[in-house]
Amino acid sequence: ELKVEQNPLFLSMQEGKNYTIYCNYSTTSDRLYWYRQDPGKSLESLFVLLSNGAVKQEGRLMASLDTKARLSTLHITAAVHDLSATYFCAVEETSGSRLTFGEGTQLTVNP
Amino acid sequence: GAVVSQHPSRVICKSGTSVKIECRSLDFQATTMFWYRQFPKQSLMLMATSNEGSKATYEQGVEKDKFLINHASLTLSTLTVTSAHPEDSSFYICSARRTPTEKLFFGSGTQLSVL
Repeated sequence: ELKVEQNPLFLSMQEGKNYTIYCNYSTTSDRLYWYRQDPGKSLESLFVLLSNGAVKQEGRLMASLDTKARLSTLHITAAVHDLSATYFCAVEETSGSRLTFGEGTQLTVNP
Repeated sequence: GAVVSQHPSRVICKSGTSVKIECRSLDFQATTMFWYRQFPKQSLMLMATSNEGSKATYEQGVEKDKFLINHASLTLSTLTVTSAHPEDSSFYICSARRTPTEKLFFGSGTQLSVL
């Protein structure tokens, strides 16, 4: 059974600071996703990582994937309040199969 | 881009009634749709995989007689919560993809509150 673990589950940080969210998974995978969820809302797709060594960046967020270590990271650079949300990683074991989600990281960026 | 529409966005019902949630792929055909449930401040848990023209595949622990899934066409899947009880109150989200290799698109979610 595929297990996906995120760390930390709660993160409170100041504006302007950097931090990294980690996502570990237990079996080989075809692809890994990062999503953002605002309270009461559905999921917003941030990144899709398809191969070992993949790195994608969008604004202050950068995601990477190490398939050998079964680890993905979501790095936040110079955080701003608008980034406050819950971030989920999700792993797709094989192409076209269902997603298994991590527990989510609730990020709060304080002014 | 592809859009998945979910309706209603919010529903309040009395205990014992049934509630139907619709999930539509607006600009593509989806042979497979997924239904997730999310309790407050928790992650998304897959309930079932909905397959067009055939029976849904339910995850372990999900009562198929309580959560009826119908995928009658390539653009519509419905989830009916039968005889809803307060413990069924949750956020329900559907998702779909155009092809097996494409990313999933998520509906806007349905907040169900059972009184």
